[in-house]
Amino acid sequence: LAKTTQPISMDSYEGQEVNITCSHNNIATNDYITWYQQFPSQGPRFIIQGYKTKVTNEVASLFIPADRKSSTLSLPRVSLSDTAVYYCLVGETGGFKTIFGAGTRLFVKA
Amino acid sequence: DTEVTQTPKHLVMGMTNKKSLKCEQHMGHRAMYWYKQKAKKPPELMFVYSYEKLSINESVPSRFSPECPNSSLLNLHLHALQPEDSALYLCASSQVAVSYEQYFGPGTRLTVT
Repeated sequence: LAKTTQPISMDSYEGQEVNITCSHNNIATNDYITWYQQFPSQGPRFIIQGYKTKVTNEVASLFIPADRKSSTLSLPRVSLSDTAVYYCLVGETGGFKTIFGAGTRLFVKA
Repeated sequence: DTEVTQTPKHLVMGMTNKKSLKCEQHMGHRAMYWYKQKAKKPPELMFVYSYEKLSINESVPSRFSPECPNSSLLNLHLHALQPEDSALYLCASSQVAVSYEQYFGPGTRLTVT
């Protein structure tokens, strides 16, 4: 299983773009990169998933370089409600169990 | 409908009690999961059901007993729990197992006294 490393915490201000990087040096060929958001006392919410280059949806963008050893979740123009823990997971569908790393606590200030 | 529901929202039980947590989804997903989450820690996988059969048991103590009566329902039966079992218990589902695109319920906050 590919181990992931993320910053423990990040601070930002409302209206700024936030980039959270995840390191996964031993990612396997069939592995995808998935990001979740979790608010206190709620279940995690699937945000975005990608394999290579760039993926964008209505919530975020995911940038994956050619070597796939890292990925960056980009949240455009954050608001106070984006304050949450963000988890990066790496693995393949049909593979072994899902493991959540420690996550990144994002705190957005007014 | 992309919702996973869990009942109850909160549960307080003594160490000698027997209780059950319930999870339901109507997305046609064939995989369902139980996770345990302690405060300020990431979710930890407990069990995975695939097509109503237990496919992964992460060495969970036998005082936790999962059950999947049908493809939409998942139960977690609790018996003789310890105070350290107090946590947020999360249910999730996905189209197949093991998928990284999972839909989580809001969780049941369990307190063992």
